[in-house]
Amino acid sequence: SYELTQPPSVSVSPGQTARITCSGDALPQKYAYWYQQKSGQAPVLVIYEDTKRPSGIPERFSGSSSGTMATLTISGAQVEDEGDYYCYSTDSSSNHGFGGGTTLTVL
Amino acid sequence: QVQLQESGPGLVKPSQTLSLTCTVSGVSISSGSYFWTWIRQPAGKGLEWIGHVYTSGSTFYNPSLKSRVTTSVDTSKNQFSLKLSSVTAADTAVYYCARGLRDTAMVTVYMDVWGNGTTVTVSS
Repeated sequence: SYELTQPPSVSVSPGQTARITCSGDALPQKYAYWYQQKSGQAPVLVIYEDTKRPSGIPERFSGSSSGTMATLTISGAQVEDEGDYYCYSTDSSSNHGFGGGTTLTVL
Repeated sequence: QVQLQESGPGLVKPSQTLSLTCTVSGVSISSGSYFWTWIRQPAGKGLEWIGHVYTSGSTFYNPSLKSRVTTSVDTSKNQFSLKLSSVTAADTAVYYCARGLRDTAMVTVYMDVWGNGTTVTVSS
């Protein structure tokens, strides 16, 4: 499947801004998507098509993309935002794939 | 409210075929607007995309699994299914089914609603 690269972990204090990056060769041409997974739960879509936020997702979650890198930003991170975050996209051959995941710690 | 629920054996013997079903409620699987997707996650590891299937039968599979994967849709039961052949211990994972949407560029299929997942262990 398509390989996307994420940092293994990000740590911030409550109220700070957390940024999680995702790099992939096809990202200049393809949208990035972001999923949040809390312990023992199924993933939840938090950003789609680089910058769009599904209904019910707090405004502190935002996304951007430039060149080969997409970024998920959590402005004013809260303890409840802790979990694993995965980016997702596709390459030029329609091979879809997830990044390796980033564990966000807020403490 | 759209809901998906995975079902199937929790234990499969090595070399056998893993078979799972996803039952969809709240939307018709034959509506034509959606893809139907399988994803898996080994314990303590990341998510792995398995494949998408459309009601027409069109499929996209992970190249690393393509030779062993078969997916299908049963519109009469509002279900879709996954078969993974010749399993080994490496196929032990939580398996998720999900609803897929095509993006506005008509390129990527992304998942907006997920089931809770079902654990499958491959062991003799």
